[in-house]
Amino acid sequence: NAGVTQTPKFQVLKTGQSMTLQCAQDMNHEYMSWYRQDPGMGLRLIHYSVGAGITDQGEVPNGYNVSRSTTEDFPLRLLSAAPSQTSVYFCASSYSGLAGVETQYFGPGTRLLVL
Amino acid sequence: GEDVEQSLFLSVREGDSSVINCTYTDSSSTYLYWYKQEPGAGLQLLTYIFSNMDMKQDQRLTVLLNKKDKHLSLRIADTQTGDSAIYFCAEGSGGYNKLIFGAGTRLAVHP
Repeated sequence: NAGVTQTPKFQVLKTGQSMTLQCAQDMNHEYMSWYRQDPGMGLRLIHYSVGAGITDQGEVPNGYNVSRSTTEDFPLRLLSAAPSQTSVYFCASSYSGLAGVETQYFGPGTRLLVL
Repeated sequence: GEDVEQSLFLSVREGDSSVINCTYTDSSSTYLYWYKQEPGAGLQLLTYIFSNMDMKQDQRLTVLLNKKDKHLSLRIADTQTGDSAIYFCAEGSGGYNKLIFGAGTRLAVHP
């Protein structure tokens, strides 16, 4: 199993450009999520999905769109990039295991710089 | 709202014990987690504790939970240079509920 994979590893964008961060998992997990990590702050949830065709907003959803057409893939779209979106983005997938413990598996991250 | 707080930095000598502390606000949290992030990598689940437990031990790791004070700690015995990383505390209500993460504690281990 490859686990959770993310592409690209690093991206530079100009303000106003759009792009899609890719995330895929091969563990058949129903739950997938996107976080951003900024210096001195914990991970903040952007969007999440509890299954194919179902998505919902997290703590900081503005400026981002998601879709979940398959169990495996959960792309994150930046519609019009802004410098405030400079961050490291992590995708995670999880299953609800014994007694409800949620075990999240994280991808390696995408480092995004918006100029 | 829900909040998780951690000190940002801890420095220890190799071979000593490390204690990383965390406080949280959500009294309905069912599970509390410790994640480790090594440089350039994603987060990796280290251990978790159910809210009705006071302590959990897993090899060199000991988790203590004081539910009354909403205080969680992670003790790493015999700290090694390979333990240098950022450690995140997180709380959740179980199942597919969202996790709330702290800002992370950077652990530096020196000879």
